[in-house]
Amino acid sequence: GAGVSQSPRYKVAKRGQDVALRCDPISGHVSLFWYQQALGQGPEFLTYFQNEAQLDKSGLPSDRFFAERPEGSVSTLKIQRTQQEDSAVYLCASSLGAVGVKGDTQYFGPGTRLTVL
Amino acid sequence: GENVEQHPSTLSVQEGDSAVIKCTYSDSASNYFPWYKQELGKGPQLIIDIRSNVGEKKDQRIAVTLNKTAKHFSLHITETQPEDSAVYFCAARPLGGGATNKLIFGTGTLLAVQP
Repeated sequence: GAGVSQSPRYKVAKRGQDVALRCDPISGHVSLFWYQQALGQGPEFLTYFQNEAQLDKSGLPSDRFFAERPEGSVSTLKIQRTQQEDSAVYLCASSLGAVGVKGDTQYFGPGTRLTVL
Repeated sequence: GENVEQHPSTLSVQEGDSAVIKCTYSDSASNYFPWYKQELGKGPQLIIDIRSNVGEKKDQRIAVTLNKTAKHFSLHITETQPEDSAVYFCAARPLGGGATNKLIFGTGTLLAVQP
């Protein structure tokens, strides 16, 4: 079946531009996560949604980062006034449930590589 | 907060040999430990996971062991093949801090299997 999809796969932005990154989770998955992966590093947690509720945004690096999931399915990560340090791969993951075994396995999308010039 | 350390950062083995990657975590309340394989240009793919009530789990050539007392967990790949070459990440899920199931990742191990 279809996995997690993300678009665009690559995005080049000039410093100061706003960008929007889209995530389509696996159909029916309750939980959705955004992670940031810098070159040569492991993914770092940004934010978590359970259905449409954003329950944890502790990893968002600044108020320039904003995420939403208005209908509990597709999610968008928006970065305002991009800076060079925002250059990274942004990964989206989803899991079937919120707690217990169904909440354990996170399935990752291919990521969006953002380059800020 | 939770911290996960991973070693080695690079590992080169001959085809057919075994490979071992080790991780330590800081939060003793962590209860779930997945391992992901990431190929170039792709997202991480889950290869095996273990929960804190289990000491060892095996799936064909891949096994994971967990030592809760020492807060260590390890990935073992036997009979390595060139297609095993990739970056491997360990992760831990801390229990504290509310309802999130966020994962804390290690820094990765680049495994190269030489034919």
